[in-house]
Amino acid sequence: GESVGLHLPTLSVQEGDNSIINCAYSNSASDYFIWYKQESGKGPQFIIDIRSNMDKRQGQRVTVLLNKTVKHLSLQIAATQPGDSAVYFCAENKGDYKLSFGAGTTVTVRA
Amino acid sequence: DAGVIQSPRHEVTEMGQEVTLRCKPISGHNSLFWYRQTMMRGLELLIYFNNNVPIDDSGMPEDRFSAKMPNASFSTLKIQPSEPRDSAVYFCASSPSENQPQHFGDGTRLSIL
Repeated sequence: GESVGLHLPTLSVQEGDNSIINCAYSNSASDYFIWYKQESGKGPQFIIDIRSNMDKRQGQRVTVLLNKTVKHLSLQIAATQPGDSAVYFCAENKGDYKLSFGAGTTVTVRA
Repeated sequence: DAGVIQSPRHEVTEMGQEVTLRCKPISGHNSLFWYRQTMMRGLELLIYFNNNVPIDDSGMPEDRFSAKMPNASFSTLKIQPSEPRDSAVYFCASSPSENQPQHFGDGTRLSIL
């Protein structure tokens, strides 16, 4: 079956630098994508989403880019802070209720 | 605004016992989901309710698992009898409707001894 995958399981970034987390998806029918942040002992927290009719969407310190040609999704975090340390999941949706989650990327922010 | 509320946060019990996990979704959300998260399998969808009606329970592992949603503000996930392999973190999530962001509770960490 088709699934969402992440390029790297871990990412170490210096505080203040920008972070880029990548995600590959294989289902061309997916039309809605979400990024979640999960801190230790907590549930996944919604960060930002994007629909397939868009290439880019910006939030507070975060930007999601969608490249449908190569089926690639990325999350950019500007001026990474210690509080950004967490596991980040991308998830895809094919227009119904089901979300397919990637394995997650662990982001560690170095002081 | 109150998010999704789950209880208990932690549960430790012996195998064979009945376990009941509880969830209060965000008010006004019509869709409710139960997930299980383990290191080996990641996040797995167990069951999906829409307007209090179970729509998809194909992810429920076996007959020992059951879920109910008696009203729009409450859902339970029950395991009877529990087994050690049921140990995991169980999350409840809700969304305003299908194809909109799901918002997760902080989960119940379940340990079956």
